Amino acid sequence: SQQGEEDPQALSIQEGENATMNCSYKTSINNLQWYRQNSGRGLVHLILIRSNEREKHSGRLRVTLDTSKKSSSLLITASRAADTASYFCAPRDEKLTFGTGTRLTIIP
Amino acid sequence: EAEVAQSPRYKITEKSQAVAFWCDPISGHATLYWYRQILGQGPELLVQFQDESVVDDSQLPKDRFSAERLKGVDSTLKIQPAELGDSAMYLCASSLGVYTEAFFGQGTRLTVV
Repeated sequence: SQQGEEDPQALSIQEGENATMNCSYKTSINNLQWYRQNSGRGLVHLILIRSNEREKHSGRLRVTLDTSKKSSSLLITASRAADTASYFCAPRDEKLTFGTGTRLTIIP
Repeated sequence: EAEVAQSPRYKITEKSQAVAFWCDPISGHATLYWYRQILGQGPELLVQFQDESVVDDSQLPKDRFSAERLKGVDSTLKIQPAELGDSAMYLCASSLGVYTEAFFGQGTRLTVV
């Protein structure tokens, strides 16, 4: 089993700007998932990218996956105050494990 | 919309007492997960079930924690005896299969005093 390592640990940007966070992992995966967690709440699944995909979009989210570098990135465009949350990547093998996440703060 | 149900939402218990958490996954979801999350950290996987079988419990402190999923549906996580360091959010999640997206409950916030 493995967990992703998110970078940066914390990110603060102005509302309207784009936010990019990165994830690295160590071994082969079936897919990679991104989750969001608002303070004191459960995690919410955002997007899943399969190991044979390179890029995927969902609304204002864009995820890339580079299996040769064992890395992924999550881009949130035109950020909003409601995007303030912690973001976790989950490189999926048989177990679902998480790293420490990226804490994103959107400044109004 | 189907949800993962957890109860209680909040629990305060004294050190050395027993405490139990309950989780009802989304109907038809074969995989169920229990996590512990300490403030400021990521969720730590305690136990993962596939139907009624344990897939992984390598991080479960088995001297005091136990988990079961009878009939492969709802699940209970128990701590006995509780210690101060067990204060955390306990999250339950479920997924249709091993590799699919997981849906999380709202969690149980445990405070041990």
